[in-house]
Amino acid sequence: EVQLMESGGGLVKPGGSVRLSCATSGFIFGSMTMSWVRQTPGKGLEWLGRIKATTDGGTTDYPAPVKDRFTISRDDSKSMLYLQLNSLKSDDTGIYYCTTSSGSFDRWGQGTLVTVSS
Amino acid sequence: DIRMTQSPSTLSASVGDRVTLSCRASQSLVRWLAWYQQQPGKAPRLLIYQASTLESGVPSRFSGSGSGTEFTLTISSLQPDDFATYYCQQYNSFPWTFGQGTKVEIK
Repeated sequence: EVQLMESGGGLVKPGGSVRLSCATSGFIFGSMTMSWVRQTPGKGLEWLGRIKATTDGGTTDYPAPVKDRFTISRDDSKSMLYLQLNSLKSDDTGIYYCTTSSGSFDRWGQGTLVTVSS
Repeated sequence: DIRMTQSPSTLSASVGDRVTLSCRASQSLVRWLAWYQQQPGKAPRLLIYQASTLESGVPSRFSGSGSGTEFTLTISSLQPDDFATYYCQQYNSFPWTFGQGTKVEIK
């Protein structure tokens, strides 16, 4: 059974940074393209970027609004996905989900809440 | 960016009703469109991909249709578990984008 579990969320000050983690199991992680998606009160569901399967080059793609602030990485030896969030603002407050992705987002974790506030 | 517009924003219906949700894209997606269901407090769940292909394990009362810029999600006979918010999402081109959602509520 595919399982995804995010962690690392919490309260962060404006301008601060946080790294989210996603522990995965139930599939061959290195062969899977992964994405992060967030849900915020202001913008609803928003795709934050993807990292291709290592077997497909392991490259990343990001939407323009987060390209210079967010970084996705993976550790295939641990079946772990990461999202580094920098220069956080109040409108980054939301629930962050890791997903398997083939274009559509096939499997989702339960999400981790990031609150940006002073 | 491709803008996704869902209608209506809220739909009131009863158990057993046939309901149709709409999703319009600002440019052609061919058929690169997915539908999700989200229950309160839970993550979204993939229902349909490539406009009309039912995800494994999803009940057959859900169906999707459309191509280009106009798409629909139909629930043939609404069940109690189906009262939720539904989102469409395009993956024709970057950045992948979502609609704002349609909430299906009990009449």
